[in-house]
Amino acid sequence: AAGVIQSPRHLIKEKRETATLKCYPIPRHDTVYWYQQGPGQDPQFLISFYEKMQSDKGSIPDRFSAQQFSDYHSELNMSSLELGDSALYFCASSLHRGEGVSTEAFFGQGTRLTVV
Amino acid sequence: QKEVEQNSGPLSVPEGAIASLNCTYSDRGSQSFFWYRQYSGKSPELIMSIYSNGDKEDGRFTAQLNKASQYVSLLIRDSQPSDSATYLCAGIWGYQKVTFGTGTKLQVIP
Repeated sequence: AAGVIQSPRHLIKEKRETATLKCYPIPRHDTVYWYQQGPGQDPQFLISFYEKMQSDKGSIPDRFSAQQFSDYHSELNMSSLELGDSALYFCASSLHRGEGVSTEAFFGQGTRLTVV
Repeated sequence: QKEVEQNSGPLSVPEGAIASLNCTYSDRGSQSFFWYRQYSGKSPELIMSIYSNGDKEDGRFTAQLNKASQYVSLLIRDSQPSDSATYLCAGIWGYQKVTFGTGTKLQVIP
């Protein structure tokens, strides 16, 4: 079965550079979530999209932006990178079944971002 | 703020024993709860989902949901060393974010 695809899997950037992470949800899933996970920490919610509109926002820095496109894939744009941005970035997708109920969220393999 | 709380552990159990993981949540509005398993450096892997009160069994795993008491639990029978991981409890409220607990680290001792 198709899963959530993230690219790239690994990324090394220098401070103050820009990075773009991509997420391709499971086909027919309409909701995408982005998470950041530092070493030894639980995943921290950044932002989510439902039907190409932002549905919720968490602890996403102003230097980051994201969007969901017409084909439901999503991109997380990170500018002015800092050393503290080094982390695993996960994308997950789910299907909204109506009446405020979603199916399970499945995660991609993640992108490991290293800022040097 | 919808909060999901877990005991961070570590929880140590001998091989073959039952591991019991617990989670409480503060908002009654969620209809969907999940348990994820995460190995170090890997993405969370969904192992159980539960939507209604009661027990749900899948192989060695049993999830329990009690909406009145606002807790979710996961039992792992015949624990194996390969079960050693961090287990994340999560809930979804509407189509908003999946809210995770802080995770419980499980160690199965051979």
